[in-house]
Amino acid sequence: QSVLTQPPSASGTPGQRVTISCSGSSSNIGSNTVNWYQQLPGTAPKLLIYSNNQRPSGVPDRFSGSKSGTSASLAISGLRSEDEADYYCAAWDDSLSGPWVFGGGTKLTVL
Amino acid sequence: EVQLLESGGGLVQSGGSLRLSCAASGFTFSNYAMSWVRQAPGKGLEWVSGISGSGGNTYHADSVKGRFTISRDNSKNTLYLQMNSLRAEDTAVYYCAKSAAYSYAYYMDVWGKGTTVTVSS
Repeated sequence: QSVLTQPPSASGTPGQRVTISCSGSSSNIGSNTVNWYQQLPGTAPKLLIYSNNQRPSGVPDRFSGSKSGTSASLAISGLRSEDEADYYCAAWDDSLSGPWVFGGGTKLTVL
Repeated sequence: EVQLLESGGGLVQSGGSLRLSCAASGFTFSNYAMSWVRQAPGKGLEWVSGISGSGGNTYHADSVKGRFTISRDNSKNTLYLQMNSLRAEDTAVYYCAKSAAYSYAYYMDVWGKGTTVTVSS
């Protein structure tokens, strides 16, 4: 059971816009920033979004992040086949369950 | 280019020990905190341990506290994870990850390719 809650799966067709949610609590998302990681099949996680909505250099602007209260979202616009991957949200947790907590991951399928 | 290369994984019997290493290059190692994050087969990510840039502050998740020890040698640009009293549930790919700043409270911005640990019962 992950501390942050994500839907186990999401899907979309090429060109569509999809969103992935991440729900937490006041001790993690509610009081700290959210980061998102992309894990392509058989590879290591890669930082996709940091500090709620910032993109590292090299990440396309098709990827965007947002946060409101104790929830966060990752949006992918202009979906491409190469976006098919697992996506994880992460946040620092101020309670004893932390410090870094992750969502269970969302498997994105491009139909 | 920032690179992290893990090594030391393998097959070990329950109750045994392993020492993982992570060789870092392409950045000033001592200026950044480091972490170990693991992923059990078919499962999500779990943060295991973190260490500050100087090595003076460390943290271990409850699941490994008292069994695992994180350390670093800044003169060798290398991060370690000493794993003792291994259990079947420790079976996972172990990733080394660099923090974006001196403290492990900052997000992890670069990850290694991982090393696989298998604990047989």
